[in-house]
Amino acid sequence: GENVEQHPSTLSVQEGDSAVIKCTYSDSASNYFPWYKQELGKGPQLIIDIRSNVGEKKDQRIAVTLNKTAKHFSLHITETQPEDSAVYFCAASKNNAGNMLTFGGGTRLMVKP
Amino acid sequence: ETGVTQSPTHLIKTRGQQVTLRCSSQSGHNTVSWYQQALGQGPQFIFQYYREEENGRGNFPPRFSGLQFPNYSSELNVNALELDDSALYLCASRTGLQETQYFGPGTRLLVL
Repeated sequence: GENVEQHPSTLSVQEGDSAVIKCTYSDSASNYFPWYKQELGKGPQLIIDIRSNVGEKKDQRIAVTLNKTAKHFSLHITETQPEDSAVYFCAASKNNAGNMLTFGGGTRLMVKP
Repeated sequence: ETGVTQSPTHLIKTRGQQVTLRCSSQSGHNTVSWYQQALGQGPQFIFQYYREEENGRGNFPPRFSGLQFPNYSSELNVNALELDDSALYLCASRTGLQETQYFGPGTRLLVL
């Protein structure tokens, strides 16, 4: 089955700096890659997603890139703010598996003011 | 807000007992998935229901079962609870045509 690895497990940045989180996946048939933000005591919240027919997607301060050949995708957050502090999860799925999401292990992002 | 609600928010059970967790999805979301999230880990897929039938299952034993109802609500049942079942249980819903899944806040289960 699919295996998703996520790095780093913790990331500490200064407010205003950029943060980059990287994920690799094993199943070349995976074609949908969402990123979720989870705050303490809450469920995961979708922040951005990308499909395999697109190499990059941007939404304000957040961008995601996908390299299908290397089977890795990354989350980029620019101009980080203290409210960006949370745990971020990448995930992968494929249509013919009923869109079951396989998650990475998570990255705890801490933005220091 | 995702429009997905779960109850209860917290629950304490003892080993061997049975538990039922509930999820209410957005209107029109005919697909619901359940995930188990152990402390410090990513969510793991348990199973998925589409139009009241299970149509996908992860690596979980049969003592994990579910139901989906026509009113967009669903249940996760766990029999013969084990200590390792202690986790946050998340439901996620979507329409059958979407890939995007919307998660509820979860139910935190503690098995003693």
